[in-house]
Amino acid sequence: NAGVTQTPKFRVLKTGQSMTLLCAQDMNHEYMYWYRQDPGMGLRLIHYSVGEGTTAKGEVPDGYNVSRLKKQNFLLGLESAAPSQTSVYFCASWSRPVAFFGQGTRLTVV
Amino acid sequence: ELKVEQNPLFLSMQEGKNYTIYCNYSTTSDRLYWYRQDPGKSLESLFVLLSNGAVKQEGRLMASLDTKARLSTLHITAAVHDLSATYFCAVVSGGATNKLIFGTGTLLAVQP
Repeated sequence: NAGVTQTPKFRVLKTGQSMTLLCAQDMNHEYMYWYRQDPGMGLRLIHYSVGEGTTAKGEVPDGYNVSRLKKQNFLLGLESAAPSQTSVYFCASWSRPVAFFGQGTRLTVV
Repeated sequence: ELKVEQNPLFLSMQEGKNYTIYCNYSTTSDRLYWYRQDPGKSLESLFVLLSNGAVKQEGRLMASLDTKARLSTLHITAAVHDLSATYFCAVVSGGATNKLIFGTGTLLAVQP
């Protein structure tokens, strides 16, 4: 999807390791979101941001931290990865009325 | 807290048939989205519904919104195999938070 880039696209972690997922958008959007997608559960909101320097918890925030130091970037961190965090992670940025999604990051924690 | 429910979760259809996917949400919102997702891919925006009574159509898909009933429908007319995908509705929560909350999705399989 044009305008929202996620890095990396794939990653395998060992239990207890840490990592950061980067979401970058070039559309000057205020709102950015991080979701995880698991089979049969749709997309669940982890954390979101309504502007530079702000973050807020979503539906399933435990085990994740986020930062939005620059407007164009929204970082999702896993401090100590667990197998339950194996999922596909999507980032989105939103400016009324449309939300744009990144291509996703497939994360496996072994 | 905003909850979004979709049904059915899985839909197997024959080509040429019609069917409707339903999306209910729990709190007031004036913005509802429908997305399509193909296996292993990201989400593709289908429709944005911004007001009560809004109806939008694209090809064999038609979406509508009833904000009073907190219900949106995605109607499929004369299904074809190319429509096989997972369809999500998503609702924006009111106020300053503007959280975008998704339904669980409907996996549509159109059989020849």
